[in-house]
Amino acid sequence: QVQLQQSGPGLVKPSQTLSLTCAISGDSVSSNSAAWNWIRQSPSRGLEWLGRAYYRSKWNYDYVASVRSRITIIPDTPNNQISLQLNSVTPEDTAVYYCAKDVAGTGYFDYWGQGTLVTVSS
Amino acid sequence: QTVVTQEPSFSVSPGGTVTLTCGLSSGSVSTSHYASWYQQTPGQAPRALIYKTNTRSSGVPDRFSGSILGNKAALTITGAQADDESDYHCLLYVGSGIWVFGGGTKLTVL
Repeated sequence: QVQLQQSGPGLVKPSQTLSLTCAISGDSVSSNSAAWNWIRQSPSRGLEWLGRAYYRSKWNYDYVASVRSRITIIPDTPNNQISLQLNSVTPEDTAVYYCAKDVAGTGYFDYWGQGTLVTVSS
Repeated sequence: QTVVTQEPSFSVSPGGTVTLTCGLSSGSVSTSHYASWYQQTPGQAPRALIYKTNTRSSGVPDRFSGSILGNKAALTITGAQADDESDYHCLLYVGSGIWVFGGGTKLTVL
């Protein structure tokens, strides 16, 4: 049974960096049959897919255009976790952030983290 | 920028059938978009119902089905039950490694 446990601060100041971690159990971050995604949800924007990392002989990354200049997804193989960094945040980045496992890049997000509410405010 | 469209809200009577749709702002949805559907109740993470257009996720009742109807992906719930009252989100692959969620449909069972 795969479990995704998220951690990270719930409050970030404007212009600073949002950092969240998703600890994976029951699977490997470097699995050749999974992709590790970050998704956020706010009342104004609904669910928004932000990006993913996946390992197929090498690490590959995809990011949505709206945050591409500010986002980094970082796999941590020794600790079997995947992290999200979002730079230069504004109040519009306030949302519940989820990590989710995708089966073989099919859009089948079969396991999700519990979600982390991140508020951007001074 | 690609926009994925869903009905903002829908209602169905208990025992009834409802079809929710998922379209593209430009063009038709096909199996190449790998449509998936997620059910979400307040305070919970989304739960996968359907993936690759019409494959049910493990443990999902067969009254949930996915298809392509015309130029959209569709989620049909047959024999709606009270606990089907949820938000339903579709997800489409739009190419170049990018996925886009629809705005979600709030389904009321009454």
